[in-house]
Amino acid sequence: NAGVTQTPKFRVLKTGQSMTLLCAQDMNHEYMYWYRQDPGMGLRLIHYSVGEGTTAKGEVPDGYNVSRLKKQNFLLGLESAAPSQTSVYFCASSTTEGRQPQHFGDGTRLSIL
Amino acid sequence: GEDVEQSLFLSVREGDSSVINCTYTDSSSTYLYWYKQEPGAGLQLLTYIFSNMDMKQDQRLTVLLNKKDKHLSLRIADTQTGDSAIYFCAESSTGGYNKLIFGAGTRLAVHP
Repeated sequence: NAGVTQTPKFRVLKTGQSMTLLCAQDMNHEYMYWYRQDPGMGLRLIHYSVGEGTTAKGEVPDGYNVSRLKKQNFLLGLESAAPSQTSVYFCASSTTEGRQPQHFGDGTRLSIL
Repeated sequence: GEDVEQSLFLSVREGDSSVINCTYTDSSSTYLYWYKQEPGAGLQLLTYIFSNMDMKQDQRLTVLLNKKDKHLSLRIADTQTGDSAIYFCAESSTGGYNKLIFGAGTRLAVHP
């Protein structure tokens, strides 16, 4: 039971570098989400997608881009990493039925030096 | 605006009951959730309650909802060291994409 898988699990970047975080889900969920988790602030929504080919901005979208070319994958990109983007990033997915809970991956720990 | 608040830290003795509290602001929330996060891991759904319920029990977990006061609590009976984790309260919002608003999390420490 893979559920939601995030790669990589850890990464260290230098300021100005770019990278892409990959999220894959095998539950055939329509909705997918990217969050960041910072100490004392809970989870904040960066971007989300309500289906293949769609993306939308969440609470803290600046400095990030996303793509949902395939239903099972949701990519989060940092074009020019900044130290303020040091965080733990979580991907989640859910169905469209009612208020079904979101299922989370194990996170990507990203440090920007 | 939408907001969810939790106390940041709770310490209990092994075998005692733990009560983690949460307040929310969106009166239109239909579901309220409790997630558990163990060190280095993602969020694991513990339980959730529909807004027309007052209480839900699931083994050692009891969720109480006071809709009038917008107050949610999670009680863990017979708390064990394996219950040490961060517990997040979340409310569903009126967004059309199953939007969740999370609290900052309560760190539960269980000591012998």
